Amino acid sequence: KQEVTQIPAALSVPEGENLVLNCSFTDSAIYNLQWFRQDPGKGLTSLLLIQSSQREQTSGRLNASLDKSSGRSTLYIAASQPGDSATYLCAVRPMDTGRRALTFGSGTRLQVQP
Amino acid sequence: SAVISQKPSRDICQRGTSLTIQCQVDSQVTMMFWYRQQPGQSLTLIATANQGSEATYESGFVIDKFPISRPNLTFSTLTVSNMSPEDSSIYLCSVEGTGHGNTIYFGEGSWLTVV
Repeated sequence: KQEVTQIPAALSVPEGENLVLNCSFTDSAIYNLQWFRQDPGKGLTSLLLIQSSQREQTSGRLNASLDKSSGRSTLYIAASQPGDSATYLCAVRPMDTGRRALTFGSGTRLQVQP
Repeated sequence: SAVISQKPSRDICQRGTSLTIQCQVDSQVTMMFWYRQQPGQSLTLIATANQGSEATYESGFVIDKFPISRPNLTFSTLTVSNMSPEDSSIYLCSVEGTGHGNTIYFGEGSWLTVV
């Protein structure tokens, strides 16, 4: 059974800092990995999706990497802003084409202090 | 991309009652997924809903408690039956978008509080 772990559980940084969020998964047979952002009491917003054959994806100040063989992904946020404060979730989709639902980590709650 | 609308966005429900959550997508999709997020927790898959067939439920979730309908390729409902305070959660509908590497999209969620 796939298990996804995110470290740290919570992080507080001053505005302007670069930061890294970590995600690890136990079964490397994944189809893709997706990073989401969730604001309190809200749904999830997709940030980046990395296919299993890719090493990284970038969108603006965000960069996500994937090392499938070691079961790890990182989300790098450059020049953090107070508006980045949210919970960040990573999720993996299994290689099994008959099962497309995601398995989620427990999230990293980020607070960026102005 | 896919735009997903969920109703209600928030509700307070009495113990023992049932509530139906609606999920409308702006494009036709094959699979729709229903998740639950209990307070302070991550997302747990309830079931996968395909049009024209019975929903597939995950371990710990049963059809009598969470009946699901999928009448067409753009719409689904999840009913939370005979609610108890333990059912207080955010319920989220999600779909797999076409193109963009099969990105998964989520609705805004339905936040239910059972009193």
